Amino acid sequence: GQQLNQSPQSMFIQEGEDVSMNCTSSSIFNTWLWYKQEPGEGPVLLIALYKAGELTSNGRLTAQFGITRKDSFLNISASIPSDVGIYFCAGPNTGKLIFGQGTTLQVKP
Amino acid sequence: DTGVSQNPRHKITKRGQNVTFRCDPISEHNRLYWYRQTLGQGPEFLTYFQNEAQLEKSRLLSDRFSAERPKGSFSTLEIQRTEQGDSAMYLCASSLVGLAPDEQYFGPGTRLTVT
Repeated sequence: GQQLNQSPQSMFIQEGEDVSMNCTSSSIFNTWLWYKQEPGEGPVLLIALYKAGELTSNGRLTAQFGITRKDSFLNISASIPSDVGIYFCAGPNTGKLIFGQGTTLQVKP
Repeated sequence: DTGVSQNPRHKITKRGQNVTFRCDPISEHNRLYWYRQTLGQGPEFLTYFQNEAQLEKSRLLSDRFSAERPKGSFSTLEIQRTEQGDSAMYLCASSLVGLAPDEQYFGPGTRLTVT
């Protein structure tokens, strides 16, 4: 079945640094979603992408829908301690979402 | 707050007992989903409803699992004869077909521990 691979698995960065992470698939998606999850909570939708090549921002977050439709990227600029969490990419498959395994972000003040 | 709510937030049960979780979706959303998440993994799809109809069930959903959405509003997920392998976070999400069906909004989850 479809699988999403996220990299890196984890990142430990200094406050103020920019962060980049990506998500790749062996098959095409028509939508890409990025979620953030904090410990003990459900995932929170950050950005939804609907068109190949689309670049969408939400505050300090910017995500891109890859031209091939098989990948997506998430960038966080000027990281702050509250950016800590696990970032998941997800793509829809007949209604349900397929999730990557997540990128864990830790920010050192 | 009009987000997705789930109850209880935590449940500890002994192996062999039955448990039931409840999910209240965002009020105007017609699709409701259940996912399971274990440590270090992304959520895995279990089942989903559109209004009252259960449209798809994952093979992860064994015969011990049953989900209902009787009036097309809240949903319940029951696990019978729990096993230690059922320990996980159970997440509920909802979306609105016709507007942004792929944008699923999650509740805070129910953490199940089977001892």
